[in-house]
Amino acid sequence: GEDVEQSLFLSVREGDSSVINCTYTDSSSTYLYWYKQEPGAGLQLLTYIFSNMDMKQDQRLTVLLNKKDKHLSLRIADTQTGDSAIYFCAEGRTGGGNKLTFGTGTQLKVEL
Amino acid sequence: DAGVIQSPRHEVTEMGQEVTLRCKPISGHNSLFWYRQTMMRGLELLIYFNNNVPIDDSGMPEDRFSAKMPNASFSTLKIQPSEPRDSAVYFCASSLLGVSGRTDTQYFGPGTRLTVL
Repeated sequence: GEDVEQSLFLSVREGDSSVINCTYTDSSSTYLYWYKQEPGAGLQLLTYIFSNMDMKQDQRLTVLLNKKDKHLSLRIADTQTGDSAIYFCAEGRTGGGNKLTFGTGTQLKVEL
Repeated sequence: DAGVIQSPRHEVTEMGQEVTLRCKPISGHNSLFWYRQTMMRGLELLIYFNNNVPIDDSGMPEDRFSAKMPNASFSTLKIQPSEPRDSAVYFCASSLLGVSGRTDTQYFGPGTRLTVL
């Protein structure tokens, strides 16, 4: 079956880099996503990566994918207090009917 | 585009009452998802529709829960009768499923915070 796991909490100092990790079990995953949820709001897409890619960079965000180990990470450079939120990774696959499997979410706390 | 619209944003009701949550997906999207989020269980997929047809309702917790999508621009999630353990934030999301079957980005609504007393 499909399973996506994340650590629950991460605390960093403002200005440092944050690295949020995710592991998944479905080897047929085609797309992997990172979503951000701010307090009292829905999930917003941050970025995504195709399974045939190793890395994707988008401004302060860097996504690394190790398909062999089924490990996905999100690095946020120069972390700001506005980055404090819950970050969800999710996996989907072609032919999966558009269904995504979400991880448990990692709560990122940015301290001054 | 207004994004995914959910109503009401907050609902407080008493145990045993019927609750109806509403969702309007993004225009042109053909997939719609209902999720429930709680501290204990995280984000759970309850049911999803493709082209107004329910595809997978295995996440619906009990017969007390039902969902409908009468047309491409409207869906409801109903709980009857409601119980205190149904208290959660309920999210609706929509996406566009292409002919290739490629999974596409899901766009989430702001959620409905349900409290059952």
